Amino acid sequence: DAGVIQSPRHEVTEMGQEVTLRCKPISGHNSLFWYRQTMMRGLELLIYFNNNVPIDDSGMPEDRFSAKMPNASFSTLKIQPSEPRDSAVYFCASSSARGYEQYFGPGTRLTVT
Amino acid sequence: AQTVTQSQPEMSVQEAETVTLSCTYDTSESNYYLFWYKQPPSRQMILVIRQEAYKQQNATENRFSVNFQKAAKSFSLKISDSQLGDTAMYFCAFSRDYKLSFGAGTTVTVRA
Repeated sequence: DAGVIQSPRHEVTEMGQEVTLRCKPISGHNSLFWYRQTMMRGLELLIYFNNNVPIDDSGMPEDRFSAKMPNASFSTLKIQPSEPRDSAVYFCASSSARGYEQYFGPGTRLTVT
Repeated sequence: AQTVTQSQPEMSVQEAETVTLSCTYDTSESNYYLFWYKQPPSRQMILVIRQEAYKQQNATENRFSVNFQKAAKSFSLKISDSQLGDTAMYFCAFSRDYKLSFGAGTTVTVRA
């Protein structure tokens, strides 16, 4: 079975541009998570979806960030407008049940210049 | 919020030797899950091992084993017969519900 798929793997953009990160969770998993990893703050949970519904978005930094999950097999994380401080690795993870292990995608390294 | 502490920022081990990584956590809950994840230079987060708090038996996955001490809130990872491919950052993580709380990580370097 394929793991969590993320695209793109690398994204370089200029400040002010819109960035869209994509994720396909493992088939059958009903929980999806977006994380951000930086040297300063480590791994931070941005948002959690359960059965395609956002349950906890308290980690979303500000209104410039938004996430959607239109169906069970696809999610997006959008940053508009992007800023240099958004540079980080963004991970998507999925899980089959609450409390169970989360399986991570390969991550997207975002660089905003 | 749960706090996960990894007190060893870096560790080095000779190939084929054993290394133990420490992890402590703070919680008032009795039912929860603990995990160790590995992040090699490729940056992929890989699940290494999982422990359910209600199980007294320590989890084992091939060369990886844990020492789970519930009363002490301690969850150490032992890597036996270390291999060069074990070089990575290792994160301890706590889960009570859906949230994973991660420690700061321990960088393990396996020397040839």
